[in-house]
Amino acid sequence: EPEVTQTPSHQVTQMGQEVILRCVPISNHLYFYWYRQILGQKVEFLVSFYNNEISEKSEIFDDQFSVERPDGSNFTLKIRSTKLEDSAMYFCASTQTLGNTGELFFGEGSRLTVL
Amino acid sequence: EDQVTQSPEALRLQEGESSSLNCSYTVSGLRGLFWYRQDPGKGPEFLFTLYSAGEEKEKERLKATLTKKESFLHITAPKPEDSATYLCAVQARSARQLTFGSGTQLTVLP
Repeated sequence: EPEVTQTPSHQVTQMGQEVILRCVPISNHLYFYWYRQILGQKVEFLVSFYNNEISEKSEIFDDQFSVERPDGSNFTLKIRSTKLEDSAMYFCASTQTLGNTGELFFGEGSRLTVL
Repeated sequence: EDQVTQSPEALRLQEGESSSLNCSYTVSGLRGLFWYRQDPGKGPEFLFTLYSAGEEKEKERLKATLTKKESFLHITAPKPEDSATYLCAVQARSARQLTFGSGTQLTVLP
């Protein structure tokens, strides 16, 4: 069964360092997302991406964040200068069609710990 | 602002003891309401989509229903493998993003 894969599964970084989280969405999917979940809190939307551009972003997704689909298979989330409050589980998700945009396939997540 | 409130926060059931989870929502024009299952340390796994009041969907021991203000996830004769956190999310007609509730952590004891 096709799945969304994310790397790394866990990353520990120092405050102020840059972090790149990587995702390989399901191959025939067209819409890509990043969500995050701070420990014990709700899953929160960060950004959606379609046709090589951001289609929607939340207030959380400020200038410190960026996304890229560099090579047609990978989808990355970059945090330029990490803060303590960026510590969370980051989930990549994808979906195939415009009509079923809530039926997301999530990866297993990348746990980011900022010290 | 779209809001989703789930109750109870946690629920412990004996195997075979049926119950319901609640999801109350406010959204500016509902495109869809979604139920996901999340196991510890994993990403959410899609279960159901509901689009309009009165709609029902079933999958094995789970049945989801929708009214204009809330959704219920009914669990009939649960088994220990049904233990997970169940998340409810809404999508507004004007948006692609999902707004999630805090979830109900279900534990089914053998």
